[in-house]
Amino acid sequence: GESVGLHLPTLSVQEGDNSIINCAYSNSASDYFIWYKQESGKGPQFIIDIRSNMDKRQGQRVTVLLNKTVKHLSLQIAATQPGDSAVYFCAEMDTGRRALTFGSGTRLQVQP
Amino acid sequence: EAQVTQNPRYLITVTGKKLTVTCSQNMNHEYMSWYRQDPGRGLRQIYYSMNVEVTDKGDVPEGYKVSRKEKRNFPLILESPSPNQTSLYFCASKGLAAGTNNEKLFFGSGTQLSVL
Repeated sequence: GESVGLHLPTLSVQEGDNSIINCAYSNSASDYFIWYKQESGKGPQFIIDIRSNMDKRQGQRVTVLLNKTVKHLSLQIAATQPGDSAVYFCAEMDTGRRALTFGSGTRLQVQP
Repeated sequence: EAQVTQNPRYLITVTGKKLTVTCSQNMNHEYMSWYRQDPGRGLRQIYYSMNVEVTDKGDVPEGYKVSRKEKRNFPLILESPSPNQTSLYFCASKGLAAGTNNEKLFFGSGTQLSVL
């Protein structure tokens, strides 16, 4: 049955450090991956995406790495700031089915 | 401003009393969907709609209905709510982000539903 009160995995970092948030996905047919940031009381916000024909993509202060061999995705945040504190979700999509599946999330806490 | 708007933000109701959560988007997106978010779990898709009058079940459709009579609106209907439907609900629409060739999901701010 469902568990009540499950706690999210939490990553605690110091302001200015780099953060790495990891995600394992399950569907070998997934060919599009997205990271979302969800701040308290808000809906998820798109951060960065990557297609399966790439293994790395960089944005502003963020980098997503994709390892299809082990079905692993990571989000790297450079020079983490207090405003980065949030829950981060990875999502995988099989674009043929247009179905998007979310991971369970990781809470990032940035200590000033 | 491009956005997804859902109402109400908070709702407390009792078992069996029909309710509707509204969702509207102003981006002319064809694809819209509903998710529920429970503690310690990612978002799970309830229903989605590829276009007007086209709806399909997601991963957890039991106890929910949707309708898509017009492109901008996608209401979520609970005909007979039960306590296990207490959750945080998000509506989303998907379309091309401005200036890109990539589709992105745009989420509403969420509706916290409590069924007593």
